[in-house]
Amino acid sequence: EPEVTQTPSHQVTQMGQEVILRCVPISNHLYFYWYRQILGQKVEFLVSFYNNEISEKSEIFDDQFSVERPDGSNFTLKIRSTKLEDSAMYFCASRIGPTYQETQYFGPGTRLLVL
Amino acid sequence: KQEVTQIPAALSVPEGENLVLNCSFTDSAIYNLQWFRQDPGKGLTSLLLIQSSQREQTSGRLNASLDKSSGRSTLYIAASQPGDSATYLCAVISYSGAGSYQLTFGKGTKLSVIP
Repeated sequence: EPEVTQTPSHQVTQMGQEVILRCVPISNHLYFYWYRQILGQKVEFLVSFYNNEISEKSEIFDDQFSVERPDGSNFTLKIRSTKLEDSAMYFCASRIGPTYQETQYFGPGTRLLVL
Repeated sequence: KQEVTQIPAALSVPEGENLVLNCSFTDSAIYNLQWFRQDPGKGLTSLLLIQSSQREQTSGRLNASLDKSSGRSTLYIAASQPGDSATYLCAVISYSGAGSYQLTFGKGTKLSVIP
């Protein structure tokens, strides 16, 4: 069964460093998402992406964050200058079509630790 | 702003027992509601998706109901098994303005099924 994959599974970085989290959505999906979950907290929406542009972003997704689909398969989340509070699990998700009758499929996540 | 609440936060039951997990949301103008399962350190697996026009969905031992007018959903698990132990998340799709939709999660119910 097709699945969303994410790399790396864990990343440790120093505060102020840039990190890039990578995702490979399901191949025929057109809508892509990033979420984060701070330890012990709710899963929070960060950004949605369609047709090579951001379709929506949350208040969390400030200028330190950016997303890109550099080729036909990868979808990346970049954090330009990490802060301690960016430590969280980051989930990528994809959905096949525009209607919300279809589910979003989530990847296994990347656990980011900022020291 | 949509808020999703799940009660209880944690639940421990003996194997074989039937159980109910509760989810409530503040804005009844939702498009659909999903129940997810999250295993420790892992991604989210979609269990059931209920469209706003539906009242329930069933998959195997799982049955989810939706009462949109009262802002409530329940997930019923029949004949629980130790393998059901996980955190169960409720999430709603609602309109967030300017042609956009958002998936808003509850904090989850951590279920432990004791053999």
